[in-house]
Amino acid sequence: EDKVVQSPLSLVVHEGDTVTLNCSYEVTNFRSLLWYKQEKKAPTFLFMLTSSGIEKKSGRLSSILDKKELFSILNITATQTGDSAVYLCAVENFGNEKLTFGTGTRLTIIP
Amino acid sequence: DVKVTQSSRYLVKRTGEKVFLECVQDMDHENMFWYRQDPGLGLRLIYFSYDVKMKEKGDIPEGYSVSREKKERFSLILESASTNQTSMYLCASCLRNTEAFFGQGTRLTVV
Repeated sequence: EDKVVQSPLSLVVHEGDTVTLNCSYEVTNFRSLLWYKQEKKAPTFLFMLTSSGIEKKSGRLSSILDKKELFSILNITATQTGDSAVYLCAVENFGNEKLTFGTGTRLTIIP
Repeated sequence: DVKVTQSSRYLVKRTGEKVFLECVQDMDHENMFWYRQDPGLGLRLIYFSYDVKMKEKGDIPEGYSVSREKKERFSLILESASTNQTSMYLCASCLRNTEAFFGQGTRLTVV
């Protein structure tokens, strides 16, 4: 069974801090790892990672994948209150098209 | 823009009722998914489909069935609703090897 574990489950930091969110996975036939941000309703896409060691970056957010150790991290620098959300990690199974999510990390930024 | 539309934002149903949740996407995506999201449990996959008339069980299919008669539409059916099926239901769709897009969710309450 495919498995995705995120840590920490929740995190509270002050505005301006840098945070690192973790995602480890076990999947029978790995295709990609995806990060999403969920604020109110629908998760919105952040990154898709398929290759080890290549950092994806978008503004203050960045992410990298380690396919040998089976994990990914999502970094957010100079956090803002608008970064408060649940961050979800998912892995895609190449063999059966299954998309499995972790439980998410709830990030709260205090002004 | 990709649009994934769920037929209802909020639903209240009685125990034992048959419930239909509809999801329609307008981008010719092959893959479609139904998840439920509960506090502390993240997104759990109920069923998914990688083609018309094809369906695969996810991690928690018990008490649910699905139908995909047309490529753009993926229906989730609760054969006999129970109170433990009270949850937020999210539909998603994607092309193979691309990010998934989510609908806005249906908050179902079974009383």
